Amino acid sequence: SQQGEEDPQALSIQEGENATMNCSYKTSINNLQWYRQNSGRGLVHLILIRSNEREKHSGRLRVTLDTSKKSSSLLITASRAADTASYFCATDNAGNMLTFGGGTRLMVKP
Amino acid sequence: DTGVSQNPRHKITKRGQNVTFRCDPISEHNRLYWYRQTLGQGPEFLTYFQNEAQLEKSRLLSDRFSAERPKGSFSTLEIQRTEQGDSAMYLCASGLGGNEQFFGPGTRLTVL
Repeated sequence: SQQGEEDPQALSIQEGENATMNCSYKTSINNLQWYRQNSGRGLVHLILIRSNEREKHSGRLRVTLDTSKKSSSLLITASRAADTASYFCATDNAGNMLTFGGGTRLMVKP
Repeated sequence: DTGVSQNPRHKITKRGQNVTFRCDPISEHNRLYWYRQTLGQGPEFLTYFQNEAQLEKSRLLSDRFSAERPKGSFSTLEIQRTEQGDSAMYLCASGLGGNEQFFGPGTRLTVL
């Protein structure tokens, strides 16, 4: 079963624009993670935010977490064509496994 | 390259055959996880090990699926009597628990 739901399912933007993806989940969590997957390949970890954190930055990435609303957002600033990929949020509620959403497919047009 | 390797990268088999996939995790990681991903979906957890102990296997899709990690290093995932519905990407990840997981490139299984 999928705990997280990403919104939108697909997003198409021009290079240089910002991309925002949202994730909602259902149960309490220890942390929430964002991963990127290029077509047909494995997942690459982007950022982890713990349940007691509200915002985290890494380079051009900004993640927010609202545990009261059970939601998170991933912002990619100044997007590049190389950012074209699928982005998944995943929740960890006990350190035992990740529960993924269905992903947002991002296309950045040059 | 995350440091996690999986073999083979692609496997084509006929329905009813058994298949086995191998995962070599990052050596310092005590936890090893298996996931399955079907087209257009996010990965779905199957099972995980802490060292050689399999601590969660209730999510394995059926009794045709089994996994081992005999010496707490590499792991194998076996599917017996494959069915067309088993066609998917099988992903392995390793980690230290409660932190990020490092995923391998996956094994893509096609059952004819």
